[in-house]
Amino acid sequence: GQQVMQIPQYQHVQEGEDFTTYCNSSTTLSNIQWYKQRPGGHPVFLIQLVKSGEVKKQKRLTFQFGEAKKNSSLHITATQTTDVGTYFCRSTGGGNKLTFGTGTQLKVEL
Amino acid sequence: DAGVIQSPRHEVTEMGQEVTLRCKPISGHNSLFWYRQTMMRGLELLIYFNNNVPIDDSGMPEDRFSAKMPNASFSTLKIQPSEPRDSAVYFCASTRTQGDQPQHFGDGTRLSIL
Repeated sequence: GQQVMQIPQYQHVQEGEDFTTYCNSSTTLSNIQWYKQRPGGHPVFLIQLVKSGEVKKQKRLTFQFGEAKKNSSLHITATQTTDVGTYFCRSTGGGNKLTFGTGTQLKVEL
Repeated sequence: DAGVIQSPRHEVTEMGQEVTLRCKPISGHNSLFWYRQTMMRGLELLIYFNNNVPIDDSGMPEDRFSAKMPNASFSTLKIQPSEPRDSAVYFCASTRTQGDQPQHFGDGTRLSIL
């Protein structure tokens, strides 16, 4: 079945450094969503990508959808302590089953 | 607007007891999802409903788990009998329509089975 893998599983950065998490699938994705979960909180929807090669920005966050629609990335420029949390991708694949990725936990140190 | 409302926020109970988790989706949302989150297995979809009808319950771990949605504004997830390995955070989420719409999550129920 479809599996959505995220790398890395954990990332520690110094405040001000950049951060990137990747979401990879073995099958072509219809679209992809990104969520953020703060420690002790619940997942919160950030953005949805639909088109091949699509790039969207939200302030310091840049989201990309691969040309083949099998991978996606979330890049944060100049991380801040408010970026701490776990970032999940969620996607529909060929089987139309909606699946959350394994998540990337980001820690930001001063 | 009120978001997805879950209750209780925390539950601690002894193994063997029945546990009932409750969820009120956002008004006007037609799809409701139950998730379980643990460190080991991440965020797992247990079951989802569309227009109060269960569509996919393949994630329900075993017969001890059951879920109902008697009307558009209420759903329950029941565990009977509970076991320590059921300890997790259980989230409810709703979407406006079925399919790949953005999900709105409740604050979750932190369940501990002793």
